[in-house]
Amino acid sequence: NAGVTQTPKFRILKIGQSMTLQCTQDMNHNYMYWYRQDPGMGLKLIYYSVGAGITDKGEVPNGYNVSRSTTEDFPLRLELAAPSQTSVYFCASTKLTGGRSANYGYTFGSGTRLTVV
Amino acid sequence: EDQVTQSPEALRLQEGESSSLNCSYTVSGLRGLFWYRQDPGKGPEFLFTLYSAGEEKEKERLKATLTKKESFLHITAPKPEDSATYLCAVQASYKPMDSSYKLIFGSGTRLLVRP
Repeated sequence: NAGVTQTPKFRILKIGQSMTLQCTQDMNHNYMYWYRQDPGMGLKLIYYSVGAGITDKGEVPNGYNVSRSTTEDFPLRLELAAPSQTSVYFCASTKLTGGRSANYGYTFGSGTRLTVV
Repeated sequence: EDQVTQSPEALRLQEGESSSLNCSYTVSGLRGLFWYRQDPGKGPEFLFTLYSAGEEKEKERLKATLTKKESFLHITAPKPEDSATYLCAVQASYKPMDSSYKLIFGSGTRLLVRP
């Protein structure tokens, strides 16, 4: 079981460039999330998905887009990168039944550290 | 507005010196409170989920408790390997009358345990 896999681990972008952060889970989880974490801060929700074909905005969606064509994959697209998007990005997944997750809670990937210069 | 506040921001303990971390929350429609451990450069690692006031869970030197307004993470006789950032998060229904759930995180408590 690989859990939640994120690629790449590190990336430097120039202002105005675009890129896709990849996230794959092999646990057949229905819910998937993208968070960003700025230094000394908690995680802020960017986008989430409750199942294949269904996505919605979180607290800080501006400048990002997502898609969920399969249960396993939930890529995050950055269009026209800006310095404010410098952050560490975490993908997470869980299986919720009636609002309750299994005993393992939400599973997080190891993160993508993005710098926009 | 849904909010999670953790205190203290940072805590330094000597090995063996027990203490508690606090997580207070204001959220409509609480659907669970989560504790995570995060090591530098890594993703959060799940510790506990609590769903009801009065519920307690234990794992090794850690014990989490929940009331209607706050949760505590008690660390008994900590060791240097317990040094990490501890994150508290509440699960709330993102949209009323919907099955969309999200985790709202506090900013964490950085714990350092010295030998």
